[in-house]
Amino acid sequence: GEDVEQSLFLSVREGDSSVINCTYTDSSSTYLYWYKQEPGAGLQLLTYIFSNMDMKQDQRLTVLLNKKDKHLSLRIADTQTGDSAIYFCAATDSWGKLQFGAGTQVVVTP
Amino acid sequence: DAGVIQSPRHEVTEMGQEVTLRCKPISGHNSLFWYRQTMMRGLELLIYFNNNVPIDDSGMPEDRFSAKMPNASFSTLKIQPSEPRDSAVYFCAAQMGNQPQHFGDGTRLSIL
Repeated sequence: GEDVEQSLFLSVREGDSSVINCTYTDSSSTYLYWYKQEPGAGLQLLTYIFSNMDMKQDQRLTVLLNKKDKHLSLRIADTQTGDSAIYFCAATDSWGKLQFGAGTQVVVTP
Repeated sequence: DAGVIQSPRHEVTEMGQEVTLRCKPISGHNSLFWYRQTMMRGLELLIYFNNNVPIDDSGMPEDRFSAKMPNASFSTLKIQPSEPRDSAVYFCAAQMGNQPQHFGDGTRLSIL
């Protein structure tokens, strides 16, 4: 089955770039997602990428996909205090179901 | 669109009581998912429906858990009897075709 892993914690200074990394195991994953969860809230879809793409940019967010290495990253440019949250990587498994990583807690310091 | 609506937002009840969690998906989104989130196990898929039909309930922990989707605009997740280890945040998510899943704000359940 699909196994999704990501680092648990990232500390970044306001104004710097953040990079959150994720690896997955199922080479048949067709869609890969990044969700953001703020305290007490649900998961908010940030962006997603189809497996035949290697990059997607959306304002301050850049997603890079290395399909050969099964590695996904999310770069947040000019990180703001409002970006402090837990970020989840998710990949579709061979049944089309989403498998989530454990989440990366991002803390933005002034 | 109002998004996925879950109720109640918080539920505190005593062990042994029946708990019913509710979800109203986004109109036109034909798949509905129930997840459970805990610190220990992260996000777990419990069950999902497609066009109101349960497709995969392999994630349902045990017979105390049941879920229904009587129509396209409503689903329930029931726990009877509840136990302290059921304490978690329960999320409902809706999906249209192959589009991304959209999550509700969750129900924070505490079983005393």
